[in-house]
Amino acid sequence: GAVVSQHPSRVICKSGTSVKIECRSLDFQATTMFWYRQFPKQSLMLMATSNEGSKATYEQGVEKDKFLINHASLTLSTLTVTSAHPEDSSFYICSASLQGEKLFFGSGTQLSVL
Amino acid sequence: GESVGLHLPTLSVQEGDNSIINCAYSNSASDYFIWYKQESGKGPQFIIDIRSNMDKRQGQRVTVLLNKTVKHLSLQIAATQPGDSAVYFCAESTGNQFYFGTGTSLTVIP
Repeated sequence: GAVVSQHPSRVICKSGTSVKIECRSLDFQATTMFWYRQFPKQSLMLMATSNEGSKATYEQGVEKDKFLINHASLTLSTLTVTSAHPEDSSFYICSASLQGEKLFFGSGTQLSVL
Repeated sequence: GESVGLHLPTLSVQEGDNSIINCAYSNSASDYFIWYKQESGKGPQFIIDIRSNMDKRQGQRVTVLLNKTVKHLSLQIAATQPGDSAVYFCAESTGNQFYFGTGTSLTVIP
């Protein structure tokens, strides 16, 4: 099946630093990628929809200046958490859509901000 | 897209029994549905999908049933094993947008 690679799997950083998370579709071209945040024992919270070559569409309540998304190619989208603070600590997951149908997920990134 | 950050309902089953996990979807226009399995600390894993022109689809030890009349989706896992312990959630799609259910935490008791 299609593979979505997400890197890094875990990040520990100091408050105030920026963290970049990469999401790659390894064997297919993904015109659309999605970024989610997940708290323990809770469902996925969609943060933004990323379309190749255009600005991301953010969900209500998600700060676009805080969570910068770049979808520079059909196989790569990045999420940068700028000036991270402890409340940004969470599990971040990306997904990519194959031909607008099957949705495949990355393995997730656990961000811990000290 | 819509996803809800609610605490997950739980289901406990004995090893070897069959499990049934249910999902109610909201949009009658949704024409594509997916079930995912998520283990702790990992990303969701695709299990099985079904299109709206079908009522039932079977995979290896899993069956998805779709009732469009009441907008209900279920996942049946046969002969549940300890490795099946995870969170399961459904997704509905009307095109390129996917909407997720709250998920169900399945615990298999040895």
